[in-house]
Amino acid sequence: AQSVAQPEDQVNVAEGNPLTVKCTYSVSGNPYLFWYVQYPNRGLQFLLKYITGDNLVKGSYGFEAEFNKSQTSFHLKKPSALVSDSALYFCAVRDWGLTGGGNKLTFGTGTQLKVEL
Amino acid sequence: ETGVTQTPRHLVMGMTNKKSLKCEQHLGHNAMYWYKQSAKKPLELMFVYSLEERVENNSVPSRFSPECPNSSHLFLHLHTLQPEDSALYLCASSHDLSITSNADTQYFGPGTRLTVL
Repeated sequence: AQSVAQPEDQVNVAEGNPLTVKCTYSVSGNPYLFWYVQYPNRGLQFLLKYITGDNLVKGSYGFEAEFNKSQTSFHLKKPSALVSDSALYFCAVRDWGLTGGGNKLTFGTGTQLKVEL
Repeated sequence: ETGVTQTPRHLVMGMTNKKSLKCEQHLGHNAMYWYKQSAKKPLELMFVYSLEERVENNSVPSRFSPECPNSSHLFLHLHTLQPEDSALYLCASSHDLSITSNADTQYFGPGTRLTVL
């Protein structure tokens, strides 16, 4: 089985400050890890993913995420937050050893990021 | 925009109505998905299609009936729904169902906000 936990329902940060949105995962094999962002009244937009290789993954809009196997974490980070980054962020995992039909991603419950002036 | 469109964007229906949700992808992908997004819950995968064949049915009640007439279009037919079926229904597509790099990123449409009275 695979699962994802996003321990914070909401993260508040001041514009210009660094931000971190936390994600931990559980898989039986090796993970594929994803971050998506959802703006109000929109679908999910792909930000970045980790497959293998460098533990620091860079994505869209200046976001990056660090894969930490020992801590089973994949936290999303940005050095300097913008008000326009305010949105709902979802972490997702796929166990690449999973067999059977379907490209089955398991999503977290989401973290609402609020960036204020 | 992600190249995945959904219509209608909003739908209000009574429990005895029959309606359909439509999804179209312009990305040349071979796999398509239906998800249900309810407040404070993780995204729930409902159905997966690959090359117009259903490969995953995630214990979805029969009042939801998917149809995939070709690799670009996906429908979700609704009948005798319950108020607890009110949610945002998201369609997604991916290149295929392989787990090789870049092939399994899912791209989402904007969703249909469904309200069942």
